[in-house]
Amino acid sequence: QVQLQESGPGLVKPSETLSLTCTVSGDSAIFGTYYWSWIRQPPGKGLEWIGYMYYDGSTKYNPSLKSRVTISVNMSKKYFSLRLTSVTAADTAVYYCARDGFFDSSVTHSWGQGTLVTVSS
Amino acid sequence: DIQMTQSPSSLSASVGDRVTITCRASQGIRNDLSWYQQRPGKAPQRLIYAASSLQSGVPSRFSGSRSGTDFTLTISSLQPEDFATYYCLQRNSDPWTFGQGTKVE
Repeated sequence: QVQLQESGPGLVKPSETLSLTCTVSGDSAIFGTYYWSWIRQPPGKGLEWIGYMYYDGSTKYNPSLKSRVTISVNMSKKYFSLRLTSVTAADTAVYYCARDGFFDSSVTHSWGQGTLVTVSS
Repeated sequence: DIQMTQSPSSLSASVGDRVTITCRASQGIRNDLSWYQQRPGKAPQRLIYAASSLQSGVPSRFSGSRSGTDFTLTISSLQPEDFATYYCLQRNSDPWTFGQGTKVE
């Protein structure tokens, strides 16, 4: 079964770029019809979908973040990434990476454990 | 964007109670809805996908159903480990959207 693990700086300064990586392991079927997603959760608040890259390279982003966010996937190296530019304190959150299949099932679904990113000078 | 209206925002229950949480979609989303459980300090865990399919490893006391654009998560007999926050997620239409969450206390 696939495992996902987020990594990246835990502290980012305002106006700078937040960059996170999600490493994929434990699943030989990397090249499938998957959505590679990022989700975040500000402290004490609900879940917010950031966006995904589909296996064909297409991307969809939350309109509230679209101008600042980029998701990319490197399956040959088994990781995918999130870039969020011009961050402010409002971007402080736990960031989760996730994988879901186009044909949804138990085995195609996985979430990482999350990583806290704080935006502060 | 599709809005997911989740209710109630919180509820008080006891061990052994039957608990029901609802999400209403602002437009049709077929069965493209899943339910997540989040315990404090932990990552969300998926319970139900495709409206009523049980995620592997999830206890059978959890079930999901659909009536039109209304989706329900039912816990048949609440256990101590079920006190948590629950979210629905629709993936029928971009952007994917979560409900606001229901805290079971």
